[in-house]
Amino acid sequence: SQTIHQWPATLVQPVGSPLSLECTVEGTSNPNLYWYRQAAGRGLQLLFYSVGIGQISSEVPQNLSASRPQDRQFILSSKKLLLSDSGFYLCAWSSSFGEQFFGPGTRLTVL
Amino acid sequence: DAKTTQPPSMDCAEGRAANLPCNHSTISGNEYVYWYRQIHSQGPQYIIHGLKNNETNEMASLIITEDRKSSTLILPHATLRDTAVYYCIVRANDYKLSFGAGTTVTVRA
Repeated sequence: SQTIHQWPATLVQPVGSPLSLECTVEGTSNPNLYWYRQAAGRGLQLLFYSVGIGQISSEVPQNLSASRPQDRQFILSSKKLLLSDSGFYLCAWSSSFGEQFFGPGTRLTVL
Repeated sequence: DAKTTQPPSMDCAEGRAANLPCNHSTISGNEYVYWYRQIHSQGPQYIIHGLKNNETNEMASLIITEDRKSSTLILPHATLRDTAVYYCIVRANDYKLSFGAGTTVTVRA
């Protein structure tokens, strides 16, 4: 069966510090991968999606970037965090463009 | 993407069926109806999806009207663990899932 992992589970970072969140998927090959952000009390916003290694599409302009160095690894990064980057970050995968399955999330607080 | 309209909240008694409505009057012919739920502080969980026909799985049933302008998610025997925000989403066969505000369902003992 397929599983999706995210780490860390929680993170507190100062403004201006770098960020690296990692997501890995097991039990499937060539998945589509997605990064979402959920601000407190809000819905989910799609940030990036990837259909293959090195292929990244950005949905909204922002302070973040994504990379996919391996087939089942998706990384969300920032060089300098802003207060507005705080939120709940969710990674998801799908087989082609079918239903998406979400990871447990990383709760990021920028102080 | 077609937009959906859901009631902001609803209560349900434990052990009873929960019927969650969703309006999607501008849905296109190639757009599916998806349902997800999000339990507090967890990632969303896929429940079910359909195009035209009613669908059933181990979690729920999805009833889509003949004109496809609305649908109902049915949780046949709600438990306390079904308390969550339920999202109704319409999407074409592409990558985009657009989450709205959803319906906050509270199952009461």
